[in-house]
Amino acid sequence: DAMVIQNPRYQVTQFGKPVTLSCSQTLNHNVMYWYQQKSSQAPKLLFHYYDKDFNNEADTPDNFQSRRPNTSFCFLDIRSPGLGDAAMYLCATSSGQGEQYFGPGTRLTVT
Amino acid sequence: GEDVEQSLFLSVREGDSSVINCTYTDSSSTYLYWYKQEPGAGLQLLTYIFSNMDMKQDQRLTVLLNKKDKHLSLRIADTQTGDSAIYFCAESIIPTASKLTFGTGTRLQVTL
Repeated sequence: DAMVIQNPRYQVTQFGKPVTLSCSQTLNHNVMYWYQQKSSQAPKLLFHYYDKDFNNEADTPDNFQSRRPNTSFCFLDIRSPGLGDAAMYLCATSSGQGEQYFGPGTRLTVT
Repeated sequence: GEDVEQSLFLSVREGDSSVINCTYTDSSSTYLYWYKQEPGAGLQLLTYIFSNMDMKQDQRLTVLLNKKDKHLSLRIADTQTGDSAIYFCAESIIPTASKLTFGTGTRLQVTL
């Protein structure tokens, strides 16, 4: 059974057109993360929530926002996607004990 | 600051053992992880080791940790074509709401 679910798996958006990616989890984990991964690179942490506490990485562009309405769901909003935002976006969860569990990712294409 | 390094590429024959190496710089690391990523997929947690351990074995996987040299390795016994993927090591320094620092990833190619 899928534990971290991301929708959609593939998303195409136009330059400057807002887009939202979603993540849900069945693990009841406190912590949820959003990563950006570009080709042949390691995942780069954008932000994470510990329960409702939002933690932004210092170098995450303002163009990226996140919402966590409840324990199970977390959203990544890209307000004005640029060509450089084309990437795989990975959601992960953790109980806070160390290991993180990743979803399958959403591949974003910007045209 | 933290820095985690891996070699970029490893090629092995099916049936041989693979050894993927990782070095890290932060001596306060508490947990070290190995993740596997197949093309177009998310990261799959393979195994992890606490920093006070030297070795952990889990079926075909053996993790060795040399804390003095800050060196971590993942050995895959009897490597199969399904093991072809990118392998990331990662370290976690703050266990609570932990943030992972990933290595650069090693692409493992398994040949027949």
